[in-house]
Formats: sequence, structure tokens, C-alpha cells
Amino acid sequence: DTGVSQDPRHKITKRGQNVTFRCDPISEHNRLYWYRQTLGQGPEFLTYFQNEAQLEKSRLLSDRFSAERPKGSFSTLEIQRTEQGDSAMYLCASSSGITTDTQYFGPGTRLTVL
Amino acid sequence: KQEVTQIPAALSVPEGENLVLNCSFTDSAIYNLQWFRQDPGKGLTSLLLIQSSQREQTSGRLNASLDKSSGRSTLYIAASQPGDSATYLCAVNRYNAGNMLTFGGGTRLMVKP
Repeated sequence: DTGVSQDPRHKITKRGQNVTFRCDPISEHNRLYWYRQTLGQGPEFLTYFQNEAQLEKSRLLSDRFSAERPKGSFSTLEIQRTEQGDSAMYLCASSSGITTDTQYFGPGTRLTVL
Repeated sequence: KQEVTQIPAALSVPEGENLVLNCSFTDSAIYNLQWFRQDPGKGLTSLLLIQSSQREQTSGRLNASLDKSSGRSTLYIAASQPGDSATYLCAVNRYNAGNMLTFGGGTRLMVKP
């Protein structure tokens, strides 16, 4: 069990550029979540996958955001035409889907949009 | 809509003190509640998870209680240490709804040597 990993850890981009983040969950975890956290706030839910199916999306996930989990393993989160308001920490979590279902979080990707 | 509030937003205590962090939520129809720790610029570390049918959970110097009917949870930290300095977040899981978490804003704890 190597934990949840995220890549890159930091990303600086100019407004209007597209960015893509990757999350590798704990192996055999069938649930994967994306959250966004701005400075001084708690994380906010963005979207959730069970295996490869995207089952729920927050209204925070505008049409500039898209997430995929093509083979039910790793996931990508893409932001198109980035805006300064997208600057935040993007956190990925995974869980096993059993009754206790503790979510395990990765280290996050910090995005700065200039 | 579920709202989660944590009080106080920040807390500074001398080493060795016992302390209580508070979390309240508006909708009692929760599946479980988790307490997390977050160090500056880092991800979240799960501390304790309490199922809706449970009243409390303990791990080492940490004890979390849950009163679902009143929409409250507390995290008790015994004999605080400087290494406990971090932000503590509580999060509730809506009942049987995909396990997405609704977080409070956190309590930023500083334990002074």
C-alpha cells in the first residue's frame, strides 16, 4: 500500500492555458474523489468515480472542468482555459467502498494561475 | 444543503493542555463523520471515523464523539504536544450518497512548547 499519489505537486500556468492533473489511488480502491481547497477553507467536493463510472459531479465543476477514470484505476482532471479563480489545491482521495469507507487523501496538486 | 461549522477557527494552547475542538452540522441524516489533520501545504490524514450508529472512537490521545441528533461532534486531544500543531478538519458523509464528504472550515491549532 503506497498511498494515494498525485502528479504534479505544483503547477504554475498562465490564464487561458489548459492543465491536466493525475491521481493514482490506492490499488484496489474502487472509489475515487476529487476535491478543491482554497486557502483557509475546507476542501469542497468536485466529482466522484466508482470504478470507471463518474457517478456525481458538483455544480462547482463547470464545463471547463473534465475528469476521467478510463480503466477504473488512475484518474485525470483537466481544466481548460484556466482562470485566476481556479488557483487552489486539488486533492484526490480514494476509498475501498466497504462499510467503514475511510477516504485516504493524496498530497494534492497546488495550481497557481497567473 | 448540509453545512458544517468548526469552532474555534484558531486555537493556541501551551504544551500539555487537554483541548476540545468542535464541529456542528445542519443535517443529521449522515452516514459517518471523519476527523482529519492537515499540515501546511499538505494533504489530509484521516484521524478517526465514527459511523452514525456509534457514539465515540478513540485512537491514542485522540477521542472523537458524535451526537447525531444534535448535529455535533467533538475531538478531544489529551496532553497536547507541539507536534499536534496543524489544522483539524471534520467532514460528514451524506447518508448513502456516494460517500462524498462535506467539510468544515477547520480549526488551526498551535501548541506552544
